[in-house]
Amino acid sequence: SQQGEEDPQALSIQEGENATMNCSYKTSINNLQWYRQNSGRGLVHLILIRSNEREKHSGRLRVTLDTSKKSSSLLITASRAADTASYFCATVTTDSWGKLQFGAGTQVVVTP
Amino acid sequence: ETGVTQTPRHLVMGMTNKKSLKCEQHLGHNAMYWYKQSAKKPLELMFVYSLEERVENNSVPSRFSPECPNSSHLFLHLHTLQPEDSALYLCASSQGDRESNEQFFGPGTRLTVL
Repeated sequence: SQQGEEDPQALSIQEGENATMNCSYKTSINNLQWYRQNSGRGLVHLILIRSNEREKHSGRLRVTLDTSKKSSSLLITASRAADTASYFCATVTTDSWGKLQFGAGTQVVVTP
Repeated sequence: ETGVTQTPRHLVMGMTNKKSLKCEQHLGHNAMYWYKQSAKKPLELMFVYSLEERVENNSVPSRFSPECPNSSHLFLHLHTLQPEDSALYLCASSQGDRESNEQFFGPGTRLTVL
């Protein structure tokens, strides 16, 4: 079964709006990471949050982690057309050697 | 650029062909990965090499054969593939740090099996 599941599957917003997507997971984690993928390209690492952290910021990105609910959220503020991409969460579980387990992703479209 | 390159970027092959995908990382990492990405499915981890030794093989059919001659290069040899093997094949590398394991991905090879 899938460790990480993103919600929603797709999101369409206008430039300047905020985009929020969520990730839920099943087992205890060491850390959770968010990646972005432009169409047909490789994934790019955005941000990593450790299990003992609750919130992290990187530029226009804000990530939260609630280990009691086994969930994380990624907020993109003041979105731009260039933010159009698929966003994936990936977890490193406590019982693994560091293997990343990816969700199916949220497809975000930002229209000018 | 992420420091991970993949060739070719696109590949069309028949079911009887033999081809190879190549990945090279310029980051000094000690772990390399092959993933398969099919439409509307999560990334599937296929193989992992750490310090040139295979540490994971996720029940991948034998028509996919990996090779890691050194810590900078990773190959995926393809033989007698099926149309359902058509997908984006992504290579990644990492420092192999158990606590973080941030991975750096190549641009992928778009494979079409006719």
